[in-house]
Amino acid sequence: QQQVKQSPQSLIVQKGGISIINCAYENTAFDYFPWYQQFPGKGPALLIAIRPDVSEKKEGRFTISFNKSAKQFSLHIMDSQPGDSATYFCAASIGGGSNYKLTFGKGTLLTVNP
Amino acid sequence: DGGITQSPKYLFRKEGQNVTLSCEQNLNHDAMYWYRQDPGQGLRLIYYSQIVNDFQKGDIAEGYSVSREKKESFPLTVTSAQKNPTAFYLCASSRSGGRGTGELFFGEGSRLTVL
Repeated sequence: QQQVKQSPQSLIVQKGGISIINCAYENTAFDYFPWYQQFPGKGPALLIAIRPDVSEKKEGRFTISFNKSAKQFSLHIMDSQPGDSATYFCAASIGGGSNYKLTFGKGTLLTVNP
Repeated sequence: DGGITQSPKYLFRKEGQNVTLSCEQNLNHDAMYWYRQDPGQGLRLIYYSQIVNDFQKGDIAEGYSVSREKKESFPLTVTSAQKNPTAFYLCASSRSGGRGTGELFFGEGSRLTVL
């Protein structure tokens, strides 16, 4: 059973455009939602994270929007750049961010064309 | 520089052979993890350890074994019992494994191919 559903599987965006990746979950016990970014041949790295007591969190060009009632959260990348081309994973955890209870989505391969 | 070192980066193995992947961290983190990454499958937890000499099975532990004799080291053995071992393996660490521990730090991975 996939606990975190991520879409789309792949995404192509032109430079300067907005990239949007969506995730949905069923388990209402989830209370920590990070996004990880992975470049080819590298390990993932934490990009941004949100807790369900806020509806939006912004860090530079990256924004997480969180809809608790719909059990959905999304990553928006404004002014997308070729250097943003990577695989993005959403994740969810229970227990206030316990890492051994972290469930990952299947990932979205983002390509930003110059 | 602090970080996580995985070796080897690439490994080829014949069917029926065990292989051990190395993971070393100098971040002074208590918790360490092993994930398996397959195309289109996300990251799946194999084993984790919150403290030296203690480790727990993750979601897909069958066919794998680990040890945690030192805080810095968390090697993973892929045994011949693992039915589909070809994959990209990622080691990670965090300050601890429990509540509010935030960020996972990943190594650069080891790609295992079974011939």
